[in-house]
Amino acid sequence: QVQLQQWGAGLLKPSETLSLSCAVYDESFNTHFWSWIRQPPGKGLEWIGEISYSGATNFNPSLETRVSISVAASETRFSLHLSSVTAADTAVYYCARGRRLRGTGSYYNGFDVWGQGSLVLVSS
Amino acid sequence: EIVMTQSPATLSVSPGETATLSCRASQSVTNNLAWYQQKPGQAPRLLIYGASTRATGIPTRFTGSGSGTEFTLTISSLQSEDVAVYYCQQYHIWPPLTFGGGTRVEIK
Repeated sequence: QVQLQQWGAGLLKPSETLSLSCAVYDESFNTHFWSWIRQPPGKGLEWIGEISYSGATNFNPSLETRVSISVAASETRFSLHLSSVTAADTAVYYCARGRRLRGTGSYYNGFDVWGQGSLVLVSS
Repeated sequence: EIVMTQSPATLSVSPGETATLSCRASQSVTNNLAWYQQKPGQAPRLLIYGASTRATGIPTRFTGSGSGTEFTLTISSLQSEDVAVYYCQQYHIWPPLTFGGGTRVEIK
């Protein structure tokens, strides 16, 4: 069974950089894109961006200027960095398995595996 | 960006009855739609993809239907364990992938 284990700092001050990592304990690391999704307290889900094992990325345009996602393929791990955080970035952040690579393309069957979630609080 | 709108915001259903949740897309997403269930304090769980295909291990009382801009998640014979917030998500045109605002299902 695929497992995702995520970790990172849970308390940040405004203007700092959020950093979270997600380890993938499964062979599917090389066959899928991996996403970050967040959920402010009491609110809905927002997709942040995705990365493949080779480093190809896509981002939500609303966050693109502040977001980077990196991959450490040898460690089957990927990381999220969100700069210049404000209180509006307070949320539970999830890593999740997304679209599957197939030949030169890919396809989605939804986000079928999720990490346990990491609460990040931004407060002065 | 494709906007996903879910209704109603809250749905109260008696045990054993049927819950019908709606999701509307601001433009056609063909059948590129997924449904998720989220219980308090947990990560979302994939229920349906491709608008109507159940994910692995999902009970048959969960049924997805629709295409284009109108979609429905039907939960038949509602059980207490089905109390949760349900989200739809489109993956037809992205970035960004977008989610609906959610429907909270309660037991009446």
